[in-house]
Order: sequence, then C-alpha cells, then structure tokens
Amino acid sequence: GQQLNQSPQSMFIQEGEDVSMNCTSSSIFNTWLWYKQDPGEGPVLLIALYKAGELTSNGRLTAQFGITRKDSFLNISASIPSDVGIYFCAGAYYNAGNNRKLIWGLGTSLAVNP
Amino acid sequence: NAGVTQTPKFRILKIGQSMTLQCTQDMNHNYMYWYRQDPGMGLKLIYYSVGAGITDKGEVPNGYNVSRSTTEDFPLRLELAAPSQTSVYFCASSYSRGSSYNEQFFGPGTRLTVL
Repeated sequence: GQQLNQSPQSMFIQEGEDVSMNCTSSSIFNTWLWYKQDPGEGPVLLIALYKAGELTSNGRLTAQFGITRKDSFLNISASIPSDVGIYFCAGAYYNAGNNRKLIWGLGTSLAVNP
Repeated sequence: NAGVTQTPKFRILKIGQSMTLQCTQDMNHNYMYWYRQDPGMGLKLIYYSVGAGITDKGEVPNGYNVSRSTTEDFPLRLELAAPSQTSVYFCASSYSRGSSYNEQFFGPGTRLTVL
C-alpha cells in the first residue's frame, strides 16, 4: 500500500538541541498531520495542517505544509527529555466523497540525552 | 469522558485460536478504525467504519472481521490466529463531517502475541 517517506528513521540528541524531521509523498495531499507516540501508548495528534505553505506552531513544535503539497516537516526547538517518543507524519487527500483514510509514515524515533 | 478504551491490554494466543479485541468510545464519534502496528513500523489500517452498520476494508483486512452494531463499539475478530498477526492493535475514532479532516483519537492498544 501507499506509504510516506519519513526521515530520519531515528535520532539521538542532547537536551536543548533542535530537531527536524520530514515526510515526502508521491501524491498530493490536502491534509498533513503530525502525531507523537509515547512508549506503550497510542498516537496523539500534535499539529494538523490544511493548506499548502501553512506554518503552524504548538509550543516548541513547528510544522509546515509544503508548497508542492507533497511534503511536510516538523521542528522541535530546545528539546527536553519528555520529547522522547516516536513521531509519525500522516497525510490524506480529503474530499466530500472519500472516506478519511490516512496514509502513515514509518515514524522517527527520538531519544534525548539529558 | 473515558475516550477510546480497548480490552484486553495484553493477550497471548496459540496458533489457530480465535479472539475478539474490544473497542469502545464514549465521544459519540461516527468514524471508528482498527490499525495494527508491527515493531519499528507505522500504522496499517485493517478495517474502518463510517457509522453503525457500515464497515469497510482497509489496507490489511485478511484474517480479520469487524462489526459495528452500535455507535460506541467496534470489535475486531481474529478467527484463526497466525504468528503473522503478532502486533499491537490500536482502535481509533473521529467525528468526521464534510470534507475536512477531524482528529483521530486513539486507544492505548492491545499487544497480541501468537505462538
């Protein structure tokens, strides 16, 4: 099935560093989403993007919807230990007739060294 | 609100056994989903439902069945468990209307091992 290319696959950083990850697709989307999954939990939505070029922040997190509608990135500034987890991108092309299925990336595993 | 609840949290099955994974949401969401997550992988959609009485296949439906008799419940049935079905199963729900995305809320997952 269709899948997004998410990179990097994993990151190990020092506390206080900034983090950047991205997703690319061969298809255009009208929705990009970024989720975080803590160990042993289900994913939780961090940021939703609905418009090409849109730049949205949620605290220390910033995400952008690429102009081509085929990519998105997520930045985390000044990382802290609780940022540890797996970050997933997900995309979809929603219209009035479709069924709201998301296409998921494989995730970026983030480890933060205090 | 409890949100999305899933039972059991863990289960070990023998090959060929059957079981039902339970999922309940109390948010009056119309859409519900079942995903599986294999180690180091993303989420793959097994089945979804757009409302009571309506279900449809996702990306990996083989070996599973679902039903949606009420808005709240969306059980996932494994009829003849196989080792390839060892995974973590997540149920999710959303209230979706119109053409825009609405957030999917996830349950805590069921960790299934088939030996």
